[in-house]
Formats: sequence, structure tokens, C-alpha cells
Amino acid sequence: KQEVTQIPAALSVPEGENLVLNCSFTDSAIYNLQWFRQDPGKGLTSLLLIQSSQREQTSGRLNASLDKSSGRSTLYIAASQPGDSATYLCAVEVNQFYFGTGTSLTVIP
Amino acid sequence: EPEVTQTPSHQVTQMGQEVILRCVPISNHLYFYWYRQILGQKVEFLVSFYNNEISEKSEIFDDQFSVERPDGSNFTLKIRSTKLEDSAMYFCASSDMGEGTDTQYFGPGTRLTVL
Repeated sequence: KQEVTQIPAALSVPEGENLVLNCSFTDSAIYNLQWFRQDPGKGLTSLLLIQSSQREQTSGRLNASLDKSSGRSTLYIAASQPGDSATYLCAVEVNQFYFGTGTSLTVIP
Repeated sequence: EPEVTQTPSHQVTQMGQEVILRCVPISNHLYFYWYRQILGQKVEFLVSFYNNEISEKSEIFDDQFSVERPDGSNFTLKIRSTKLEDSAMYFCASSDMGEGTDTQYFGPGTRLTVL
């Protein structure tokens, strides 16, 4: 069964800092990997989708990489802002989606 | 921008009662999903639905659960006899294409509380 792990569980950084969130998964036979943002009490917002054949995707200040063979993905956030404070989830899709437990990010003004 | 909507936002029910959670996916999407998130735990996949039938389901999705697309716009999750452990946030999602080719768009969720 696919297991998805995210490190760290929580992260607090000053505004303006660049940061990296990590995601690892146990089975490399995935269709894709998706990064989501979840605000407290809210649904999930998709940030980036990386197909299994791709190595990275970029959207604005976000860059996500995928190394299928090692079972790892990173989400890089440049020049963090207080509005980036949220929980970040990664999910891999095989026949279904498997989610990690998330990284709770706090950006301090 | 099109979005997935869910009703109600919060449902409180007594153990053993049936509940129906409703979702309106994005109108041109073809693939529909239900997930749940127990407080403080991971988001868990329940079921995916395409072409009026279940395409995948998890071990959580037992005989107490069912899904239906009763008309061209709604997608429902029914829990026949709720248990205390069914208390969770339930998210509906939809996508234009399946099998890893497209982004899933999530609704805001329905918080189910079973007393």
C-alpha cells in the first residue's frame, strides 16, 4: 500500500524567506503527484500537478519537483508571504489518491 | 471561476441515521470523487465515479456507503447507518479527465458530526 510522508510536520519562517517542503512516497508507480494547500476549516486548493513523466512544475513563486525513482517530491516557495500560511499537502495518484499528513506553514510578518 | 459546491456545510445526526451529502461538481467535468478527513488525520480517498459507475473505491467505502449522480448536476454520498467514527469532514472533488491527467478541484467540504 502506498504511504506518503511529509517533513517537516510544522514550519515557521520569517516573511521573505525561501523554503522547501518535502514529500516522500513508497511506491514509485504513480500517475502523478499533486500539491495542495488547505486553509483551516476549508477545502483543498490544487497548487501544482506533476505528471509521472515530468520532473518539475512551476507556478509563480512555487516550484515543485518530482523524482519518481527515489520516491520524493519537493515544493519550493520563494519569498514567502504571510498569506502563504496554511497546511500544504502532497498526494500521489495510483488508482486512487494517497495523501500525506501535511506540513503546517506559518509565515511571520 | 467555476467551483465545486457542497451542501450542507455542517450536518449533525444521531448514530444509526442515514445521511446524504450533496455535491455539485464543475459542470463540464466527467470524474467525481469523495474523500474524508477525520479531525487531525490525513485526507482519505473514498470513491471515484465515472460514466455513472464507481471506478475505484477504498476499503473505507463499505456497504454502508453509496454514491449516486441522480441528475446531470448533483453527485451524492449516502451513509446508510451512521456510526460515531463517521464523524469527519467530507470533501467532494471533480476533474475533467481521469487517471492522472488532470487537476482535481475540491469543494469546501461538509462537516459531519455523528452523536
